[in-house]
Amino acid sequence: DQQVKQNSPSLSVQEGRISILNCDYTNSMFDYFLWYKKYPAEGPTFLISISSIKDKNEDGRFTVFLNKSAKHLSLHIVPSQPGDSAVYFCAASENRDDKIIFGKGTRLHILP
Amino acid sequence: DGGITQSPKYLFRKEGQNVTLSCEQNLNHDAMYWYRQDPGQGLRLIYYSQIVNDFQKGDIAEGYSVSREKKESFPLTVTSAQKNPTAFYLCASSTLAGVEQYFGPGTRLTVT
Repeated sequence: DQQVKQNSPSLSVQEGRISILNCDYTNSMFDYFLWYKKYPAEGPTFLISISSIKDKNEDGRFTVFLNKSAKHLSLHIVPSQPGDSAVYFCAASENRDDKIIFGKGTRLHILP
Repeated sequence: DGGITQSPKYLFRKEGQNVTLSCEQNLNHDAMYWYRQDPGQGLRLIYYSQIVNDFQKGDIAEGYSVSREKKESFPLTVTSAQKNPTAFYLCASSTLAGVEQYFGPGTRLTVT
C-alpha cells in the first residue's frame, strides 16, 4: 500500500510558465515532507522541505504548499527553466524519523 | 570536496554470483542508507545504519546483506538469493537528527 502517491507519471510545461507537481499521502503521522530532483543515472538531490507546522515554504523559484486536511502537498516552480526537466520525487517521514517514504516520481518536461 | 561516492557506475554479473556495491562518504554522517530504484517505481529502502556495527532492514531487505565496519563505508552485497537484482542502486547518508538525505551517483547493476 503506497503511503506517498504521485499520481501523474509525467508533466509537460512551457518554458517560463509555472510547473505544479502534486503529491498525496495517506499516513496522518507524517510530519515532514521533502521534494527531491533526479536527473537520469544520477542520485536524487534534495530540493526543498516543509514541516507539518507550516503550510508554505519558499526557496527561490521553488515553493512547497502543504494542505494537511487534504493530505496533499504540491511543488510550484516559477518560472520553469529547461534545466528543471527531471524526475521529481515527493517524500515523507514520521516524527523526523530516519526512514523516508518516497513516491514513484513525476517526470517533468520543460518545453522550449 | 565532501560527498558520497559509489563505485562502479555500471556493473554486470552472471546470475548466481554475489556482487558487492561500494558506498563511501566523507560528510561525517552517522546514518547511511541503501535504496533501489526500478523503472516506474519510487525509491525503496533496502537497509539502513545509524551507527557503526549496527544496521536495520528496510522494506525490501531479502536477498541483500550489508556491513558497517567504518563510519565512512556502507557496502551492499546483492546475493544470489535476490530474485530480481537488476536495478539502479542508490546510497545515501544523513546526520542522525536530519531528515534530508544526500545521495551518491548510483550504481546500475545488470544481472544476466
